[in-house]
Amino acid sequence: EAQVTQNPRYLITVTGKKLTVTCSQNMNHEYMSWYRQDPGLGLRQIYYSMNVEVTDKGDVPEGYKVSRKEKRNFPLILESPSPNQTSLYFCASSKRPGQGDEQYFGPGTRLTVT
Amino acid sequence: SQKIEQNSEALNIQEGKTATLTCNYTNYSPAYLQWYRQDPGRGPVFLLLIRENEKEKRKERLKVTFDTTLKQSLFHITASQPADSATYLCALRKRGATNKLIFGTGTLLAVQP
Repeated sequence: EAQVTQNPRYLITVTGKKLTVTCSQNMNHEYMSWYRQDPGLGLRQIYYSMNVEVTDKGDVPEGYKVSRKEKRNFPLILESPSPNQTSLYFCASSKRPGQGDEQYFGPGTRLTVT
Repeated sequence: SQKIEQNSEALNIQEGKTATLTCNYTNYSPAYLQWYRQDPGRGPVFLLLIRENEKEKRKERLKVTFDTTLKQSLFHITASQPADSATYLCALRKRGATNKLIFGTGTLLAVQP
């Protein structure tokens, strides 16, 4: 089954404790992206990757890092989480976004930073 | 400034009626526009794509229109069912910007039995 998986699904952590949210897709997509979703603000892009070893900032990259060492994986790293990073996070992948291909979203990771 | 706007108020309709959701944008030149469905606690799921040179697309009970003069897309669900209740997101990609899909904040649709 074609899918995007994320782990963990739920995470409660404390300010400053480094964490990683994993994302993996099994569709051989070159494009992957991370979003955060907050009430009233919609989905906002954090980082994206057009291919292995190619990453770039989205609209809200501050406080986040990513890496793309393999085509299937695109982890999101919070080096020093802060309460304003409490949010619902989604990973997504797409085959050819420039051609209108749909984005496949993961199930989401709900992060709470206290 | 560039904006995508969807009805922030929930849309309540009776089962069997046609639901119409609106997506307006300003200061964009979209290459295409997509509509997604999102259920509570889940990731968005793609429904339909309409390109800048298309006026209308259909898929089963779903219809999307695209008016680049009005800078508006309408999303219709005919013969609505309670199972159609969800949040619907529009998203557009600017011409030449392959990396970015810009989302609206979504409209919550509630179909009453």
